[in-house]
Amino acid sequence: KAGVTQTPRYLIKTRGQQVTLSCSPISGHRSVSWYQQTPGQGLQFLFEYFSETQRNKGNFPGRFSGRQFSNSRSEMNVSTLELGDSALYLCASSESGAGNTIYFGEGSWLTVV
Amino acid sequence: AQRVTQPEKLLSVFKGAPVELKCNYSYSGSPELFWYVQYSRQRLQLLLRHISRESIKGFTADLNKGETSFHLKKPFAQEEDSAMYYCALRFKAAGNKLTFGGGTRVLVKP
Repeated sequence: KAGVTQTPRYLIKTRGQQVTLSCSPISGHRSVSWYQQTPGQGLQFLFEYFSETQRNKGNFPGRFSGRQFSNSRSEMNVSTLELGDSALYLCASSESGAGNTIYFGEGSWLTVV
Repeated sequence: AQRVTQPEKLLSVFKGAPVELKCNYSYSGSPELFWYVQYSRQRLQLLLRHISRESIKGFTADLNKGETSFHLKKPFAQEEDSAMYYCALRFKAAGNKLTFGGGTRVLVKP
């Protein structure tokens, strides 16, 4: 089985722009979560989608949004980028049901200049 | 709110020495606890989960509900254990949301 795939792997954006990151979960996984990883704040939960519905949301401003498609693929969008949004954005997927294992992608490195 | 604390940012040990990574959590219910590991230039991957009660790569972790701890231990560290280790918590009502500790970098010296 292919792992969680994230694109693009690296990108550089300018302040004020917006960015869309994509995630393809492991086949059969219906839950997709997003995390932001920074040296200062560590790993922070952004949101989780399950069957195209947002199931959980972290404490991030409304500039951060996401969605999930019927094939379970997910995208996250950050609008009006700020320098502090520079981070590694990780996507994770899992099957439904209790006790499931959560698998992570390699991440998308975003640099805002 | 739930919280996971890893008090050590860096642990440096010699090969063959024991290593213990501390993890404390605050949550009033019954969470699931995990250890994730991130080797250099690799993705975050699950190392252990408390419900499995198994040993992976020589590592074990015991959930102590009284002390709200889930410390990770290995009796004889190897150089390939050098990595970043994260303790994480999940509880049923939050779906698949993981709350992570700040991470501990382990450096095993030859």
